[in-house]
Amino acid sequence: QSVLTQPPSVSGAPGQRVTISCTGSSSNIGAGCDVHWYQHLPGTAPKLLIYGNTNRPSGVPDRFSGSKSGTSASLVITGLQADDEADYYCQSFDSSLSGSKVFGGGTKLTVL
Amino acid sequence: EPQLLESGGDLVPPGGSLRLSCAASGFTFSGYAMSWVRQAPGKGLEWVSTISGTGDATYYADSVEGRFTISRDQSKNTLYLQMNSLRAEDTALYYCAKDQGHPLQNYYLDYWGQGALVTVSS
Repeated sequence: QSVLTQPPSVSGAPGQRVTISCTGSSSNIGAGCDVHWYQHLPGTAPKLLIYGNTNRPSGVPDRFSGSKSGTSASLVITGLQADDEADYYCQSFDSSLSGSKVFGGGTKLTVL
Repeated sequence: EPQLLESGGDLVPPGGSLRLSCAASGFTFSGYAMSWVRQAPGKGLEWVSTISGTGDATYYADSVEGRFTISRDQSKNTLYLQMNSLRAEDTALYYCAKDQGHPLQNYYLDYWGQGALVTVSS
């Protein structure tokens, strides 16, 4: 089981808005550790989508946004497009595990 | 722009060893921590190991501690992962990634390679 919990799948029609949640605990997200988000098409290099809870790297559209509150974080995608269909992972750090980055189990986004 | 290219993936019998390499370019290699992340077939991403920019600090997931060793050669801009006592559950696509951020608990991975496939099977 992953230290960070994500829904296995979400879906939405083109143009709609979807939210992917990432739930942790007091030893990771709740301890003040930043949350980051990645977009991944299997077999390709994962792509950084959001870093430091809310920041977008250059080149990432503002349709993607991140937030964090308490022991959870969320990724919101607005104006869904067909090529948003991918796996999405949250990542943080767990202070109970030495030097350990932790990933969520991943969420498969299907664009209907 | 940073580029990372993994090599060394192969089919290995259980109990065997393998060394992965990751050639880095497009950034000051010694200035950044580097990590390995893997994805087993049908599974999600799993952090494996991180090494500091100077190479003097290393971190491992419990699942590989004592069997895997991360290292770097600053003169060759290359990251390594020495994998010993391999098990079937180590079968995965192994990604090399560049760390960014500060301090350690806020590190994220801003550039990734395409991955090297390691298959552990008899």
